[in-house]
Amino acid sequence: DVKVTQSSRYLVKRTGEKVFLECVQDMDHENMFWYRQDPGLGLRLIYFSYDVKMKEKGDIPEGYSVSREKKERFSLILESASTNQTSMYLCASSPPSGNNSPLHFGNGTRLTVT
Amino acid sequence: GIQVEQSPPDLILQEGANSTLRCNFSDSVNNLQWFHQNPWGQLINLFYIPSGTKQNGRLSATTVATERYSLLYISSSQTTDSGVYFCAVERDYNNNDMRFGAGTRLTVKP
Repeated sequence: DVKVTQSSRYLVKRTGEKVFLECVQDMDHENMFWYRQDPGLGLRLIYFSYDVKMKEKGDIPEGYSVSREKKERFSLILESASTNQTSMYLCASSPPSGNNSPLHFGNGTRLTVT
Repeated sequence: GIQVEQSPPDLILQEGANSTLRCNFSDSVNNLQWFHQNPWGQLINLFYIPSGTKQNGRLSATTVATERYSLLYISSSQTTDSGVYFCAVERDYNNNDMRFGAGTRLTVKP
C-alpha cells in the first residue's frame, strides 16, 4: 500500500513564525502535491512538483513556498504565518498522469495560527 | 480554469437506501477521480474514471465525458459510508494536478 506521511497531525504557531510542513511518500512517485482544505471550499491546490527540484504553482500559492530536494519528500513552507493560513493541509502523491494514476493522500496537518 | 460543481451539497439517508451523487465539469477532461473523506479526515481514492463505468462492491461510477458529468452510485448504504465525497478533475496541465469540487456531505443514519 502507498503510504504518504505528514510529520504533524496538529500544529499551533504564532503569527509571523516560519512554518515547515513535511510530507514523505514511500512509493517512488514522481508527482507530489500540497492542498489546503477549508469548509465549503473543498480542496485547493497550493503547489505541486512533478520531479526533484521542480515546482509549479497551483491555484493559491501566495504566502507559501515549497522544496523538493529528494524524490520522496515535499515540504511546504509558510515564510511568515498569518491567521488566514489557519487550515487543514493535505499532501498527496501519484505516478505521472496517465492511465489509472490515482492521488494518494496523507492524513493531513491541522494548522492553527494565533 | 476548469470548474467543478457537485450536487447535492448535503444528503441524509437511512441505512440500506441507495443514492446518486453528481459532478459537473466545465471543460473536457482526461482525468477524473472520486474520493471519500471519512469523519477523521482521511481521503481515500474511490475511482479513477475519466470515462466509462467502473464498479467496486456497492459503489459504482459513470463518467460521460462528452456531456461533462460524472455520477457516483452508492447502493445499500451503510453508516460507514458517511463522510464527504469529492469529485476532482485535472487542471490545465498533464501532471495529475487536480481541481476539486466543494463535495457532497453524506450522512447515513442507522
